[in-house]
Amino acid sequence: TQLLEQSPQFLSIQEGENLTVYCNSSSVFSSLQWYRQEPGEGPVLLVTVVTGGEVKKLKRLTFQFGDARKDSSLHITAAQTGDTGLYLCAGVIRGSGGSNYKLTFGKGTLLTVNP
Amino acid sequence: NAGVTQTPKFRVLKTGQSMTLLCAQDMNHEYMYWYRQDPGMGLRLIHYSVGEGTTAKGEVPDGYNVSRLKKQNFLLGLESAAPSQTSVYFCASRELARGYTFGSGTRLTVV
Repeated sequence: TQLLEQSPQFLSIQEGENLTVYCNSSSVFSSLQWYRQEPGEGPVLLVTVVTGGEVKKLKRLTFQFGDARKDSSLHITAAQTGDTGLYLCAGVIRGSGGSNYKLTFGKGTLLTVNP
Repeated sequence: NAGVTQTPKFRVLKTGQSMTLLCAQDMNHEYMYWYRQDPGMGLRLIHYSVGEGTTAKGEVPDGYNVSRLKKQNFLLGLESAAPSQTSVYFCASRELARGYTFGSGTRLTVV
């Protein structure tokens, strides 16, 4: 069972378009993180959200944590070719005891922004 | 700022051979992790360590061993490589309640 479901799995858009990708779970998360991974590289942390309903902005990227802390979304405004990559969400399940040490990762959304 | 350094970057092994992947971090992080990444499977945790001298199994530990003799180093060993272990391996480190810092990966092919 995949604890974190990301959708869509693949997304191909034109430069300048807006997009939203989603991360959903039936579990409550203490915190949730978003990473971007470029080909041949390791994932790089973009943001951490910890409070239900929290919204964080990173230039053209807007991250939202659901009120119930079971889901999150990433919205990109006016996408650029440099946004191309694999977007991963990862979270710490609330009340998981020793599992606080490790994150659970979704399988990711592979975004391609075409010029 | 080296961050997390993985060696080697690429390796081809024959079935049954052994090898060790090295991960080194210079951020004084307590927690270190080894993941493998396969198409359609996402990142899967192999083993992790919450401090020097400690290790624990992740979700796919079979066929792998690890050691954390020094705080800055986390070694992943394959005793008898199998084609199913063909993958990209990532090491990461973190402080609790903070995000992971990943290495750039080791691409391993077992033939």
